[in-house]
Amino acid sequence: RKEVEQDPGPFNVPEGATVAFNCTYSNSASQSFFWYRQDCRKEPKLLMSVYSSGNEDGRFTAQLNRASQYISLLIRDSKLSDSATYLCAVILNTGGFKTIFGAGTRLFVKA
Amino acid sequence: GAVVSQHPSRVICKSGTSVKIECRSLDFQATTMFWYRQFPKKSLMLMATSNEGSKATYEQGVEKDKFLINHASLTLSTLTVTSAHPEDSSFYICSARLTVVQFFGPGTRLTVL
Repeated sequence: RKEVEQDPGPFNVPEGATVAFNCTYSNSASQSFFWYRQDCRKEPKLLMSVYSSGNEDGRFTAQLNRASQYISLLIRDSKLSDSATYLCAVILNTGGFKTIFGAGTRLFVKA
Repeated sequence: GAVVSQHPSRVICKSGTSVKIECRSLDFQATTMFWYRQFPKKSLMLMATSNEGSKATYEQGVEKDKFLINHASLTLSTLTVTSAHPEDSSFYICSARLTVVQFFGPGTRLTVL
């Protein structure tokens, strides 16, 4: 089983739709969680942090469920510019910090 | 967010030559930097962890003599692809860690002819 798993998609949604991605992690010692966005042929860019209490930034909401060991990203009112690959990142503290990235979920928002 | 630069952004070289890629943290010091490789439409693959002042830690299956890493200062790590071959053609991305968050450089697209 992979340490961090994501549905690769692709998710094809119309503009204005709400779309949600999940990311599961296997190590209960995982401490910190993030979502990154990667555009085609570009580097990943930090989108937002994920907290148990939830984190909202405009149309984006990230949530952490420690009991079930998953994080989620909700995008409301999708825009064409949201089309990208979304990577989840899980930080382990195993005597030093180690970041495990998911393989990413591809999103296509269509007009 | 923190800024990480990478140079060059694109390089085309002949088979058998060596290519050096630089990764700099511009507005913070990074004792740890990471080197990734990514093939088209594939996920990031961690190649090695670069530690300032000590040897890099390579992931399983990554040849340390092929991919030389030097982290001589708190703001600079270099990756040298030695005796490059066409199968080394890929997108190489570095990242630097600030507290626990990793920030990525813009990547280097290497094409080996």
